[in-house]
Amino acid sequence: GAGVSQSPRYKVAKRGQDVALRCDPISGHVSLFWYQQALGQGPEFLTYFQNEAQLDKSGLPSDRFFAERPEGSVSTLKIQRTQQEDSAVYLCASSPGGGAGGYGYTFGSGTRLTVV
Amino acid sequence: QKEVEQNSGPLSVPEGAIASLNCTYSDRGSQSFFWYRQYSGKSPELIMFIYSNGDKEDGRFTAQLNKASQYVSLLIRDSQPSDSATYLCAVNIIGRGRANSKLTFGKGITLSVRP
Repeated sequence: GAGVSQSPRYKVAKRGQDVALRCDPISGHVSLFWYQQALGQGPEFLTYFQNEAQLDKSGLPSDRFFAERPEGSVSTLKIQRTQQEDSAVYLCASSPGGGAGGYGYTFGSGTRLTVV
Repeated sequence: QKEVEQNSGPLSVPEGAIASLNCTYSDRGSQSFFWYRQYSGKSPELIMFIYSNGDKEDGRFTAQLNKASQYVSLLIRDSQPSDSATYLCAVNIIGRGRANSKLTFGKGITLSVRP
């Protein structure tokens, strides 16, 4: 597609509920990143895929967070048993080459998750 | 010490003034540096990147990099109310090889341009 597409745009979850957030990167982009942005803070790295391989998941805050990109295009970030501290905007970004490359990357519009 | 620090702000300047936004980073191996603009409720958008020491100009924006001092800045000339946003500094941190590089962001500086 022309840009990075994320869905849903907004998600309200009850505490303890599982959620799945979807990211469709720019067509042909090799690298895909997930970030978490709390209110008033910069984006914090969660995980990185190069094609279907998850090369870095060092930023995932707990084992409740899981991400996949099985065919090297669309990615899903799953959060199990959501907690209030999971409330944030989840941003997906993609870049054409391996890693962030020399040109940075393009962000999607994000999914705002609110856990009540 | 955080990897990328943006400690000043919020910043308020009058329309037409120069806005100066500063950022320091801790990893001397960092190779590329980015400025993103984020309007309230929107996602970050890339406005400038710089690799080499010195200045890089693009329209009203100038990025400045000093690797010895581990310092990168963004100057916005002739500031406009439409420049009011949060500006995020990001640094390309090389992990286990270039292919594992990722951007690490500062917390951002909120700029307000007064008409």
